[in-house]
Amino acid sequence: SQTIHQWPATLVQPVGSPLSLECTVEGTSNPNLYWYRQAAGRGLQLLFYSVGIGQISSEVPQNLSASRPQDRQFILSSKKLLLSDSGFYLCAWSEAGHTQAFFGQGTRLTVV
Amino acid sequence: KQEVTQIPAALSVPEGENLVLNCSFTDSAIYNLQWFRQDPGKGLTSLLLIQSSQREQTSGRLNASLDKSSGRSTLYIAASQPGDSATYLCAVRNGGSQGNLIFGKGTKLSVKP
Repeated sequence: SQTIHQWPATLVQPVGSPLSLECTVEGTSNPNLYWYRQAAGRGLQLLFYSVGIGQISSEVPQNLSASRPQDRQFILSSKKLLLSDSGFYLCAWSEAGHTQAFFGQGTRLTVV
Repeated sequence: KQEVTQIPAALSVPEGENLVLNCSFTDSAIYNLQWFRQDPGKGLTSLLLIQSSQREQTSGRLNASLDKSSGRSTLYIAASQPGDSATYLCAVRNGGSQGNLIFGKGTKLSVKP
């Protein structure tokens, strides 16, 4: 069966520090991968999605970037965090050609 | 631009009651609709997926309906239990199988014992 792992679960980082959140999927090949952010009182916002290695699409301009170095690995990064980057970050996957999405357990990021 | 609205934002019911959560979307040209459950501080758990050609899907005490032409979906929960307490999120997928999920803000459900 397929599983998705996302870490860390919580993170407190100072303003201006770098960020790296990692997401990996097991039990499937060539999945579509997604990064979402959930801010308090707001819906989930799609940040990035990827349909293959090295292929990244950005949905909103921001201080973040994403990379997909391996088929089942998706990384969310920032060179310098802003206070506004605080939020709950969720990684998700779906099989190419199939449309049900499955989510990781999320990372609570607090920028102080 | 697709917008998804969920009403009510919060709902509190006594245990055993049947309840309905509502989801509406502005663009009826969706590929599918998915209902999720989110416990506090946790990720999303997929509950039901309805393809655009389907009218409803059932899983246990859950039944989701879709009326694409009117831009509406409902999630029916039968015989609610305290363990059903969570936030329920509706999401639609536009633009085919590679389209992105557009989420509502959710309905926070509390089932009182």
